[in-house]
Amino acid sequence: AQSVTQLDSQVPVFEEAPVELRCNYSSSVSVYLFWYVQYPNQGLQLLLKYLSGSTLVESINGFEAEFNKSQTSFHLRKPSVHISDTAEYFCAVNAGNNRKLIWGLGTSLAVNP
Amino acid sequence: DTAVSQTPKYLVTQMGNDKSIKCEQNLGHDTMYWYKQDSKKFLKIMFSYNNKELIINETVPNRFSPKSPDKAHLNLHINSLELGDSAVYFCASSQVSAVAGSLDFGPGTRLLVL
Repeated sequence: AQSVTQLDSQVPVFEEAPVELRCNYSSSVSVYLFWYVQYPNQGLQLLLKYLSGSTLVESINGFEAEFNKSQTSFHLRKPSVHISDTAEYFCAVNAGNNRKLIWGLGTSLAVNP
Repeated sequence: DTAVSQTPKYLVTQMGNDKSIKCEQNLGHDTMYWYKQDSKKFLKIMFSYNNKELIINETVPNRFSPKSPDKAHLNLHINSLELGDSAVYFCASSQVSAVAGSLDFGPGTRLLVL
């Protein structure tokens, strides 16, 4: 069975500092990996995804994530965060031909001035 | 031109009442979903429809009944509301030919049962 573990439930950080939100998964088959962001009182938005090819994927707002098959990880990073990055971040995995996403419990990123 | 819309945005009601939430998507997607997000932000899939056919039906009380009149609409009816039903309900859509996981979410319906 697949599972997703987000290792930090809350990450407080100062503005302009770097941040890493950790995500590990377990699956016996090849996977597709996703990060979604949920800004306060809004729905979820797809931030970035890994399907195949280059293991480093980027979003339009400066986030990047690297698929590491040996460590079964898909950590999300940003070199310098803004106040506006304050949100809940969800890692999700789809393994094989499954129509259902497996979700992590979320990481609350709080960017302080 | 909202992609996935839900109504109402807020719903406050008494225990025992029956209520419905409506969802519409104008993306031309053929698959729609209902998710429940509890107060701890945990996301749980409830149902999924593909071209009006139910394809995912998780362990959800049978007080919850989805209805899909066409592939652009997926409604959720809840009978005999209970305190534990208080949550945010999200509708989402995707194209089944794309990789499952690339979902478009609605803004959510915040349900409070008193």
